[in-house]
Amino acid sequence: GAVVSQHPSWVICKSGTSVKIECRSLDFQATTMFWYRQFPKQSLMLMATSNEGSKATYEQGVEKDKFLINHASLTLSTLTVTSAHPEDSSFYICSARDSGYGTGGIEAFFGQGTRLTVV
Amino acid sequence: LAKTTQPISMDSYEGQEVNITCSHNNIATNDYITWYQQFPSQGPRFIIQGYKTKVTNEVASLFIPADRKSSTLSLPRVSLSDTAVYYCLVVGAAGNKLTFGGGTRVLVKP
Repeated sequence: GAVVSQHPSWVICKSGTSVKIECRSLDFQATTMFWYRQFPKQSLMLMATSNEGSKATYEQGVEKDKFLINHASLTLSTLTVTSAHPEDSSFYICSARDSGYGTGGIEAFFGQGTRLTVV
Repeated sequence: LAKTTQPISMDSYEGQEVNITCSHNNIATNDYITWYQQFPSQGPRFIIQGYKTKVTNEVASLFIPADRKSSTLSLPRVSLSDTAVYYCLVVGAAGNKLTFGGGTRVLVKP
C-alpha cells in the first residue's frame, strides 16, 4: 500500500532553535499534504494544508511565521518549527492522498509522526 | 464539514465483538464515512470507508443506515492488539482536509 514517511521520528532541540520535519509520499504523488499536531491524550489538530507549488493554508490560530511549510515537489512537504519553545513540544503528523485519484472519499495516508521535544 | 460524535471510551475483552457508533447528523450528499485507528506515538491508519449500507473488509465492518446520519464500526473478535483510539471522520472530495473529532479509546482486556 501507499506509504508516507516522516523524518525524523523524534527530535530534541534547544529552545530558540529551528527544527525541520520532512514528509514524503514514497510511491505516489500528492499535490496536497496536511500537517497535524497532537498533544498527549488529545485528538489530532489540523495545523495547515500544504499545497505543491503555492502557499500553505493555515488553520485559524496557527502562526504561519512560526510553522513554515514548504511543498516544493509532488512527493515532499516540510514543516519548520522556527524559534521553538517548550510549548511547541508535541507529536507532529503529516498526511497525504494520492493525487491520481479524481473521485472523492479516498484513503488518506499518514506518516509515523515526529515527536518534538524542546528543552 | 460534518461534525462527528462518538463515545469517549469503551472497554472490551479478548474475543468479543466491539461496536462503535458515530453520529454525523450534518453529513452531505457527497460525503463518505471513514474510520481510522491510532496506536500511541503512531500516525493514524485507515481501517474502512463507506457511503451507505454495509462494507466489510479483512479488518472490520461498517454499517451505515439509509439516512446516513450515523455509522457503526464493528470489530469482530478483538485481541489485545486492537487497543487503540478509533476515529470516525466524514470525508468530502479528494483533497479536502480531514478533521478529527475526539475519537473513541478502546481498551481490550485479557
